[in-house]
Amino acid sequence: EAGVTQFPSHSVIEKGQTVTLRCDPISGHDNLYWYRRVMGKEIKFLLHFVKESKQDESGMPNNRFLAERTGGTYSTLKVQPAELEDSGVYFCASRDGGYGYTFGSGTRLTVV
Amino acid sequence: DQQVKQNSPSLSVQEGRISILNCDYTNSMFDYFLWYKKYPAEGPTFLISISSIKDKNEDGRFTVFLNKSAKHLSLHIVPSQPGDSAVYFCAASFSGSARQLTFGSGTQLTVLP
Repeated sequence: EAGVTQFPSHSVIEKGQTVTLRCDPISGHDNLYWYRRVMGKEIKFLLHFVKESKQDESGMPNNRFLAERTGGTYSTLKVQPAELEDSGVYFCASRDGGYGYTFGSGTRLTVV
Repeated sequence: DQQVKQNSPSLSVQEGRISILNCDYTNSMFDYFLWYKKYPAEGPTFLISISSIKDKNEDGRFTVFLNKSAKHLSLHIVPSQPGDSAVYFCAASFSGSARQLTFGSGTQLTVLP
C-alpha cells in the first residue's frame, strides 16, 4: 500500500508570507495527525482529524495556523502569516483503528 | 513542561555490543509506550511498543523494558549493527480513540563498525 505522502518536502519562505503544506494519508485511514519538530527538540502534537472533523486541535500554536481535511481525504496545513519561530519539520501521520501510526517524510519549513 | 524525557541526546556504541536507550515520563496516566526510529530526511518509523500491563516486550534484537513505579522505560538493541544508527524517539499515549502521541526529544544512536 502507498504510504503517507507529504509535499513539498522543503519550503523556504520569507517572514510574513503564506505557506500551505499538504498531506495525503493512507487510503482508508480515518485518523490523520499533524506533528511538528522544532530545532531538534521533541516532536509535538498539533492536531488530530477523524475523517473531516477536527477531533483535537489543542496543539496548534496560534490562529496563524489553519488545518483542513477536505472530504476526509487529504489534509492541508496553512501558516499565514509565517513567523521565524514557525521554522521546523512538519510531520503528517495517519492511523488505522489501532496504534498503527504511519508517518510521512515531513516538510522542512524554513522562514527567513 | 515536557512529559516524556530522553536525557541523552547522543549515544555511541561499538558494533556487536548492546545499545541501551532510556526514557522517563512524568504522567502516570500514560498506558502505552512506543519507540520510533528516524533516519535523516525520513519520517519516524515504528519499532516496538509496550502496554502498561507488561514489563517487557521483545522483537528480535529489540527489547523494551517498562518500570512503572520509576516511570522509566528503556530500549535494548542486541547486537547493535551500523544500520541501527539513527535518532530514536520514545513516545507515550493514553488508551482511547484519540491515541495522540507525546514524544521525547530523541537520542542519536551511532553504531561504530
